[in-house]
Amino acid sequence: NAGVTQTPKFQVLKTGQSMTLQCAQDMNHEYMSWYRQDPGMGLRLIHYSVGAGITDQGEVPNGYNVSRSTTEDFPLRLLSAAPSQTSVYFCASSYSRRDPSTDTQYFGPGTRLTVL
Amino acid sequence: KQEVTQIPAALSVPEGENLVLNCSFTDSAIYNLQWFRQDPGKGLTSLLLIQSSQREQTSGRLNASLDKSSGRSTLYIAASQPGDSATYLCAVGSGTSYGKLTFGQGTILTVHP
Repeated sequence: NAGVTQTPKFQVLKTGQSMTLQCAQDMNHEYMSWYRQDPGMGLRLIHYSVGAGITDQGEVPNGYNVSRSTTEDFPLRLLSAAPSQTSVYFCASSYSRRDPSTDTQYFGPGTRLTVL
Repeated sequence: KQEVTQIPAALSVPEGENLVLNCSFTDSAIYNLQWFRQDPGKGLTSLLLIQSSQREQTSGRLNASLDKSSGRSTLYIAASQPGDSATYLCAVGSGTSYGKLTFGQGTILTVHP
């Protein structure tokens, strides 16, 4: 198993550009989520999904869109990049078909995004 | 709104010391609490998960305890080693939907030889 994979690892954008951060998992996990990590702010939840076709907003959803067309993939779209979106982005997944309180979350390696 | 606080923000100890990292949370209606390790420039690695009905979990030199009623968890690291140097993050699972975590800001641990 590759676990949770994220591409790209690094990205530089100009203000106003759009892009998609890719996240994939091969563990047949139901739950997937996106976090951003900023100095002094910790990790904050952007969007999450409890299964294919189902998504919901987290703590800081503005400026981001998600979709979940398959169990494996959960892309994060930046609609019009702003310098405030400079951050490290992590995707995570966990398995929920039994007791979700026992599910460890698995994190990808992260995408470092800089918006100029 | 759930809030998670970790104390201390940074800790530097000599090799071999036993140490305790602290985590507190404001809403005791949690379904689990997880401790993660993050190395510089890397992703998060899960260390221990404690369900809300449990009091502690152990893995090797690590022991995590949970007191849900007081909103506290501790991570105990025995006989620390330089390889333990990393940022340790506490995260609480709570709310009506599973798969969502609220994180503390982490404790940066340095173990020097």
